Amino acid sequence: DGGITQSPKYLFRKEGQNVTLSCEQNLNHDAMYWYRQDPGQGLRLIYYSQIVNDFQKGDIAEGYSVSREKKESFPLTVTSAQKNPTAFYLCASSPEWGQGAHGYTFGSGTRLTVV
Amino acid sequence: GENVEQHPSTLSVQEGDSAVIKCTYSDSASNYFPWYKQELGKRPQLIIDIRSNVGEKKDQRIAVTLNKTAKHFSLHITETQPEDSAVYFCAASISGNTPLVFGKGTRLSVIA
Repeated sequence: DGGITQSPKYLFRKEGQNVTLSCEQNLNHDAMYWYRQDPGQGLRLIYYSQIVNDFQKGDIAEGYSVSREKKESFPLTVTSAQKNPTAFYLCASSPEWGQGAHGYTFGSGTRLTVV
Repeated sequence: GENVEQHPSTLSVQEGDSAVIKCTYSDSASNYFPWYKQELGKRPQLIIDIRSNVGEKKDQRIAVTLNKTAKHFSLHITETQPEDSAVYFCAASISGNTPLVFGKGTRLSVIA
């Protein structure tokens, strides 16, 4: 489905729990990104990775962690330190970092709800 | 860092009319400006983009204009149709070297 797959589509988290959102791409893209979408807030950058084994914090990284052990995968963990995690999370990828800008390919998103 | 402002937040037009969405950016080094369309419950999709060496770009009913001096760019949709109803996001980056910074979005409603 568009080359980038996010799972699960819906996720419910209890207070104090860590949860991990999956993002896998088969586009052979170097760069991957996590954005959070809240109503009226647009897309805000959580973390991004230019290449395998490297990642940088975005504007709202507190309470989140990531890893990039494989080119195809960029999972996001929402920790208990994230005070307001209920949101729609979007993963994206782009072909090559620093080789000219390209539009992103987005996954279909994960809606996380705290219960 | 870069800041992107987008206006209006909501826009209603009659079918067949034109729609214009405007964005401003703060970092004069930004040189790549894409626009995304997000239909309800779906992922954002790239609909058009422009680079700073071009002032205007068209693709059928959609056009984007860029004013580098004023640091603003606009999306123009002509002959709007009900299927154009969606949330539209503008974004900016420094060509491939920074992540995209998005505006807060414009909810466009096309009334039949």
